[in-house]
Amino acid sequence: GAVVSQHPSRVICKSGTSVKIECRSLDFQATTMFWYRQFPKQSLMLMATSNEGSKATYEQGVEKDKFLINHASLTLSTLTVTSAHPEDSSFYICSAKRTGTSSNAGELFFGEGSRLTVL
Amino acid sequence: RKEVEQDPGPFNVPEGATVAFNCTYSNSASQSFFWYRQDCRKEPKLLMSVYSSGNEDGRFTAQLNRASQYISLLIRDSKLSDSATYLCVVNSGNFNKFYFGSGTKLNVKP
Repeated sequence: GAVVSQHPSRVICKSGTSVKIECRSLDFQATTMFWYRQFPKQSLMLMATSNEGSKATYEQGVEKDKFLINHASLTLSTLTVTSAHPEDSSFYICSAKRTGTSSNAGELFFGEGSRLTVL
Repeated sequence: RKEVEQDPGPFNVPEGATVAFNCTYSNSASQSFFWYRQDCRKEPKLLMSVYSSGNEDGRFTAQLNRASQYISLLIRDSKLSDSATYLCVVNSGNFNKFYFGSGTKLNVKP
């Protein structure tokens, strides 16, 4: 099956610093990747859709200047949390849909997630 | 209104029981539907897709009701290993966004 690798799995940083999370599709190309955030005991909330070679599409209420997304290649998307604050502490998960699948096909392949703790 | 809504549970059932979860979605143009399973502190894993005609995979049966805009998941003969959070996922009408329900927590007791 397809594999998505996410790194780092866990990061602790000081308030005001920036943190970069990488999401790689290891054995398939992903034109589109998705970034989700999950707070404890809550579901995954879609933050943004990352499109290779173009700007990311952000969901309502997600600050694009705070959560910078770069999708420079068909196998890599990065999420940078800029000037992180304690309220940004969360579980961030990326997912990818295999390029070439029909639009209503479906499976999303998820990274292992990155747990961010901002002190 | 949320795109996808689920009863958070928890559903506490004994081994061998049959349990069913429902999930409603708001976008009538939604095209594809899935059930994912998420274990504590892990990433979600696809359990099964939900087809218009319904589908069954072993002890798991998924149904779609477009008229009422809900999908369901039935688990028969529950096992201890079925304990997890079950996430309903709906692909939006423009095909490129997947929205998750809040998840339904299932605890199967011995």
